[in-house]
Amino acid sequence: AQSVAQPEDQVNVAEGNPLTVKCTYSVSGNPYLFWYVQYPNRGLQFLLKYITGDNLVKGSYGFEAEFNKSQTSFHLKKPSALVSDSALYFCAVRDVDSNYQLIWGAGTKLIIKP
Amino acid sequence: NAGVTQTPKFRILKIGQSMTLQCTQDMNHNYMYWYRQDPGMGLKLIYYSVGAGITDKGEVPNGYNVSRSTTEDFPLRLELAAPSQTSVYFCASSYGGQGKNIQYFGAGTRLSVL
Repeated sequence: AQSVAQPEDQVNVAEGNPLTVKCTYSVSGNPYLFWYVQYPNRGLQFLLKYITGDNLVKGSYGFEAEFNKSQTSFHLKKPSALVSDSALYFCAVRDVDSNYQLIWGAGTKLIIKP
Repeated sequence: NAGVTQTPKFRILKIGQSMTLQCTQDMNHNYMYWYRQDPGMGLKLIYYSVGAGITDKGEVPNGYNVSRSTTEDFPLRLELAAPSQTSVYFCASSYGGQGKNIQYFGAGTRLSVL
C-alpha cells in the first residue's frame, strides 16, 4: 500500500536557525510529492512539489525540499527560520492505486521561538 | 481574488440532523475535492469530481453525498449526522488531476455533531 509518514509531531527551532521537517514515503512507480502549509484557522497552501527533474526543489517563502530516492524521503528545509514560519506542515504523495489522488501525512507542527 | 469559498465557517448539528456544506470556486478548475481533517490526522478524501456531472468516492465517503451540477459549485451533503462526523471539512480545487497539480483550498468548515 502507498503511504506517507511524517515521523515528528512537532519540531521546535530557534529563530534564525535552519529547520528541517521530515517526510518519508512508500509508493509504486515514480513519486509525485508535495508540501503544503496550514496557518491557524486557514486552509492549506501549496509550498512546493517534486514531479521530476532536479532533486532539490525550491518553493514559496524560502522553503526548499530535497528528493532522495534511495532513502525514499522528501524533507522540507529552510536555511534560516522565521517566527512567522510557525504553522502546521503536511507532506503528500500521489496514490496511483486510487485514481492518482493524494495521500496525506499526519502533519508536523513547526514552532519557531524568538 | 476569491479562490475557493466555503460556507458556513462553523456549525453545530444535533445527531440525526442534515446539512449541506457549500463550496464554490472561481478559477474555472475542473477538479474539485472534499476532505475531512481530524486532530492528529492527515486529510482524508471524502469525494472528488473531475468535472460537472461527474463525481467519485474517495477514501471515506460513507454518510456523505455530493453533486456537481456546475463547474463552480461542489456541495457536500451530510445526511443523518453522527458524532463521528465531527471534523473540519475542506473543499479544494485544481486545474487537472493525475495527482500532479496544485490544489487550492478553502478556509474550512468546522462541524460539531452533538
